[in-house]
Amino acid sequence: GAVVSQHPSRVICKSGTSVKIECRSLDFQATTMFWYRQFPKQSLMLMATSNEGSKATYEQGVEKDKFLINHASLTLSTLTVTSAHPEDSSFYICSATTGLAGPSSAKNIQYFGAGTRLSVL
Amino acid sequence: ILNVEQSPQSLHVQEGDSTNFTCSFPSSNFYALHWYRWETAKSPEALFVMTLNGDEKKKGRISATLNTKEGYSYLYIKGSQPEDSATYLCASKNGGSQGNLIFGKGTKLSVKP
Repeated sequence: GAVVSQHPSRVICKSGTSVKIECRSLDFQATTMFWYRQFPKQSLMLMATSNEGSKATYEQGVEKDKFLINHASLTLSTLTVTSAHPEDSSFYICSATTGLAGPSSAKNIQYFGAGTRLSVL
Repeated sequence: ILNVEQSPQSLHVQEGDSTNFTCSFPSSNFYALHWYRWETAKSPEALFVMTLNGDEKKKGRISATLNTKEGYSYLYIKGSQPEDSATYLCASKNGGSQGNLIFGKGTKLSVKP
């Protein structure tokens, strides 16, 4: 159980194009989804947190007009990299939880997709 | 700025060896510590969520301990197998349930047959 599917796994695009990445919870309802970015040899860095039906909360330094996040249903969130440039090339990965609860609750566990490798030429 | 450090960065062991690695995290306003196992081209898989000082958790040959006062956690693998080869990530959540997970860079374990 608790499977998160992320597509595509890899995308190569030309500079100036927009790229959409999908994150789906297959067997549970994800009240909260997270989008992370990882540069080579660095840690996963949170970009934004989204709750179903509301606007995403972006971390400091992440441009919300550049990285559009939509969480239209309890099983789907999308990240669109608009007008991608070579510096946006990175590994993007999503995760989902069933909710926020007490510290030892399983609801705090984040279930991850397998990530998307974006290369912008 | 909250920082989570993991050491070593990478580790090469022989099949059957036992091994351990470290995660250091901020002890102030500590809420929870997560361990994940991440195989190449797959999704990170949650191993443990630990919250209380002195916590010890075990899953098969893998176990973890937690010291919230000094801000460190150890992950132990007993009798390593090639299928244990993966990157092990730890992440700290501070400041309550609304806090974000702050990840370390991971420890990459390679187990040779």
